Amino acid sequence: AQSVTQPDIHITVSEGASLELRCNYSYGATPYLFWYVQSPGQGLQLLLKYFSGDTLVQGIKGFEAEFKRSQSSFNLRKPSVHWSDAAEYFCAVGFSGGYNKLIFGAGTRLAVHP
Amino acid sequence: GAGVSQSPRYKVTKRGQDVTLRCDPISSHATLYWYQQALGQGPEFLTYFNYEAQPDKSGLPSDRFSAERPEGSISTLTIQRTEQRDSAMYRCASSSVTRETQYFGPGTRLLVL
Repeated sequence: AQSVTQPDIHITVSEGASLELRCNYSYGATPYLFWYVQSPGQGLQLLLKYFSGDTLVQGIKGFEAEFKRSQSSFNLRKPSVHWSDAAEYFCAVGFSGGYNKLIFGAGTRLAVHP
Repeated sequence: GAGVSQSPRYKVTKRGQDVTLRCDPISSHATLYWYQQALGQGPEFLTYFNYEAQPDKSGLPSDRFSAERPEGSISTLTIQRTEQRDSAMYRCASSSVTRETQYFGPGTRLLVL
């Protein structure tokens, strides 16, 4: 069965430090991969997505992610974290078919220390 | 509209009551999804619509849950005889026919007492 694992429930980093959020998936074919961010009181906002092509994808707010097929991973990175990045981050995999049912990980909550 | 909207944003109800949640998708989007998000978890797929058709209801937890999209635009999710375990955030998303990205609304937080 398809699944998404985000191993880190909580991560705390200092402002200006680099960040890497891990995501591993289980899916038989080439997946569509997404990272969403959820800020308090807000909906889920798309940070970036991978459908095909270049395995390093750039997103909004200075985020990037790299698809590694051999590791079934799609880790999210940012070179320098800002206090406003504190939020919950969700990795999701979508079916590459007629519709795109998303399966989400449980999320990683990011705290940023000044 | 400019984005996906949902109403109400918060709903408190008593066990056994029926509730109806509303989703207004992006106007050009043919596909609409409903997800349920329990506290501390990621969203879980409930059902989706392609225009008025509802090809996949596999995620609906029980027959107390139903969804409609009669004119291919606004959708409602109805939970009959609510139970405390139904307390969750209910999220709606929409996407265009050919693109795969889903755009989410702010959600409706449901609390069943």
